[in-house]
Amino acid sequence: EDQVTQSPEALRLQEGESSSLNCSYTVSGLRGLFWYRQDPGKGPEFLFTLYSAGEEKEKERLKATLTKKESFLHITAPKPEDSATYLCAVLLPGGNTGKLIFGQGTTLQVKP
Amino acid sequence: DVKVTQSSRYLVKRTGEKVFLECVQDMDHENMFWYRQDPGLGLRLIYFSYDVKMKEKGDIPEGYSVSREKKERFSLILESASTNQTSMYLCASSPPWGVQTQYFGPGTRLTVL
Repeated sequence: EDQVTQSPEALRLQEGESSSLNCSYTVSGLRGLFWYRQDPGKGPEFLFTLYSAGEEKEKERLKATLTKKESFLHITAPKPEDSATYLCAVLLPGGNTGKLIFGQGTTLQVKP
Repeated sequence: DVKVTQSSRYLVKRTGEKVFLECVQDMDHENMFWYRQDPGLGLRLIYFSYDVKMKEKGDIPEGYSVSREKKERFSLILESASTNQTSMYLCASSPPWGVQTQYFGPGTRLTVL
């Protein structure tokens, strides 16, 4: 069964304390893995797309990496404004409908 | 920049009312999606559409219907709203080729009393 699991559910960091969020997936024939950021009461905001094992993408303090079974979102020296829920999603194989499976998300709180 | 807009940010309706949620995208995307998001349950796909007048059920279509008369507009209809449809509703769009990244609207927080 196609599945996406994110861990931890919640993460509290001090400002400047680097860490990583995990997204593991079981999908045959990965066509794309997406990371989104979601602030409370708002829609998810697209961050990264990863396609193949070994790929890395960076944006400011965030770096996303991909292996054959999981993806990591590394947060380097986070700031309070990085506090949000981070969602991982995988593109379902087959067709062009663009359907995604989402993980439950990791809620990150960065304290000053 | 891709822009997806939703007709209302907050909506309060009574049980039994017919509710329309509208979504418009300006990127000429073929694919459009409606999700609901609830604490502990994550994002769940209600319906999606891959072309004008084409629609397919998602994971939780019961109690909902959709309409796509124009490429840029995708409407979600609650035929007879119930309290268990109180939720955050999110619309998204994506192209059918290449990256297929879904871009989301700001969401509609619907409360059914």
